[in-house]
Amino acid sequence: QMHLVESGGGVVQPGGSLRLSCAASGFMFNIFGMNWVRQAPGKGLEWVALISYDGSEKYYGDSVKGRFTISRDNSKNTVLLQMNGLRPEDTAVYYCVKDLATVTSPLDHWGPGTLVTVPS
Amino acid sequence: SYVLTQTPSVSVAPGKTARITCDGNNMGSKSVHWYQQRPGQAPVLVISYDSDRPSGIPERFSASNSQNTATLTITRVEAGDEADYYCQVWDSSSDHRVFGGGTKLTVL
Repeated sequence: QMHLVESGGGVVQPGGSLRLSCAASGFMFNIFGMNWVRQAPGKGLEWVALISYDGSEKYYGDSVKGRFTISRDNSKNTVLLQMNGLRPEDTAVYYCVKDLATVTSPLDHWGPGTLVTVPS
Repeated sequence: SYVLTQTPSVSVAPGKTARITCDGNNMGSKSVHWYQQRPGQAPVLVISYDSDRPSGIPERFSASNSQNTATLTITRVEAGDEADYYCQVWDSSSDHRVFGGGTKLTVL
């Protein structure tokens, strides 16, 4: 059974940094693209970043480009999100999410999420 | 950037049919996916590639996509269907995944 478990969330001051980690199990991690999607309190879903199965391609949402970096370690079945220059508007639950196949495919499995809080 | 527009809320009585729409320019040329998010839970994929139902999703859930509107239809609505529903596409012009703003389905 597929499992995605995020960790690394917490409270960080504006301008600070945080690194989120996602541990994957139950599927062939190294053949699927992985994403981070976030949800601010009481708000909708916002796609943050995507990394291809081999890490060669990375895409970012406009609000985080230049501040966040997605990476993966296929030997450890983990995907990371390095967040720098954090702002209050980055406060959200961050979900680690698996691609079904390609960039046009759906997001077929979601972790439970980890909360990041940047106080204003 | 590409924008998907959803009606913020839809209300329906139990046993009736709910229709949730997602508007976007030339939507018919894109693959649309739908997610259900119950309160306090992570989203779950309920429809993929415009109209495919993943394993475990009831047949009461169906969807279509044409021209500028995609529609999620839930027949014989149950109390357990009360949730937020999001549409999503890949925008190839910006290389972004895009979500609609979400529709809150209330079962009366």
